[in-house]
Formats: sequence, structure tokens, C-alpha cells
Amino acid sequence: RKEVEQDPGPFNVPEGATVAFNCTYSNSASQSFFWYRQDCRKEPKLLMSVYSSGNEDGRFTAQLNRASQYISLLIRDSKLSDSATYLCVVNGGVGRGSYIPTFGRGTSLIVHP
Amino acid sequence: GAVVSQHPSRVICKSGTSVKIECRSLDFQATTMFWYRQFPKQSLMLMATSNEGSKATYEQGVEKDKFLINHASLTLSTLTVTSAHPEDSSFYICSARDRRTSVHEQYFGPGTRLTVT
Repeated sequence: RKEVEQDPGPFNVPEGATVAFNCTYSNSASQSFFWYRQDCRKEPKLLMSVYSSGNEDGRFTAQLNRASQYISLLIRDSKLSDSATYLCVVNGGVGRGSYIPTFGRGTSLIVHP
Repeated sequence: GAVVSQHPSRVICKSGTSVKIECRSLDFQATTMFWYRQFPKQSLMLMATSNEGSKATYEQGVEKDKFLINHASLTLSTLTVTSAHPEDSSFYICSARDRRTSVHEQYFGPGTRLTVT
């Protein structure tokens, strides 16, 4: 089982749709969790950290479920500009220090008119 | 805040030469920097973790004698690809952690696209 798994997609949705991504992780001792966004041929940019209590930033909501070892990202009212690859990052993989990041392969989102 | 620069953004070199890539945190101090490599349509692969003032920790399968990392200050880490070969052609990205924050976010540089001919 991979340390951090994501459905690669692509998720193809119309503008205005709500879309959700999940990411599962294998190390129950993982300490911190993030969602990054990566546009084609660009560097990843931090979208949001994921806290146990869940957090929301505008149209984006992130949730953490430690019992089931997954994190989620919900995007409401999708915009064309949301089209990108969304990377799940978990700090503290198997056999790693608590601050060493492990990236998922990313989920591709395509928002069409 | 939390800006990371990388230089050069693009480099083409001949097989057998060495290439140095710089990663700088511009407005914060970074005790830890990470170096990644990304091949087309693949995920980011962590190559090494660089801590200021100490030797880098390399991931399994990454040759430390080929990918030399120096983290001489709290704002600068360098990656030198020695004796580069065409299979080293890739997108190299660094990231840095702000030592002031307790949450372990990373801020990425814009990346360096290396092409070895």
C-alpha cells in the first residue's frame, strides 16, 4: 500500500459544481496534513493546512479523519481557474521523521464552461 | 511573505558537466529545505532533506555523490548535479520551512528545468 494515495482523476466538472477529493495515508502517527495546488509545469503552492477540527477558506473546505486515515478537500462553486492538480501532503510517513513530507501523486481537476 | 527563489529557472547543459541550482528563502529563515525532482506527469519525489549546518539526508535510491547538497546558511541551499546525464533531465524544485512556525508547511521555489543533451 502506498503511503499517500489519491485518485489521479481527472475529475471533469462544469463551472459551479461541487467536487470532493479524498486522500488516504498509511501512517497513523502522521502529524500534519496539507493540500497543495500545482498548475502545469509550475511549482506547488500551498492551498491550505488540514486540521482535526476541519477548516474552511472561502469555497474550499478541508477535513481530517484520523480514525479512517484520510483527508478530504471540498471545492464549492468551481471556477475555471480551479483547474489544476491537487496534491495531498502528509508529514511523517512510515519510518520517517515527523516532519518529513510525503506527497500523493495528485488529483487532476478540469473545470469546463 | 514566505517567498522562495530558485536559480536558474532553466538550464541546458552537455552530458558530463555539472550544474548548480540555488534555493533561497527571501523573507524568512529556513532551518530545513527540501529538494525534489519531478518527471513529466509524475508526482514530486523527495530527493533529500537539507538542514542548515549539517549533512543532508538523502532518500533511498538517490546518489549523494551525484547530487551534492550544501546548506551553508539559513537562507541558502544549493544542489549540484555532478556529471549530468540525459536521464537527469527533470524539473528540480526546492522548498523551505519557516523556522518561526510550528506547523510544518513548506514554501516552494519556482523550480529549475534541467535538460541534459
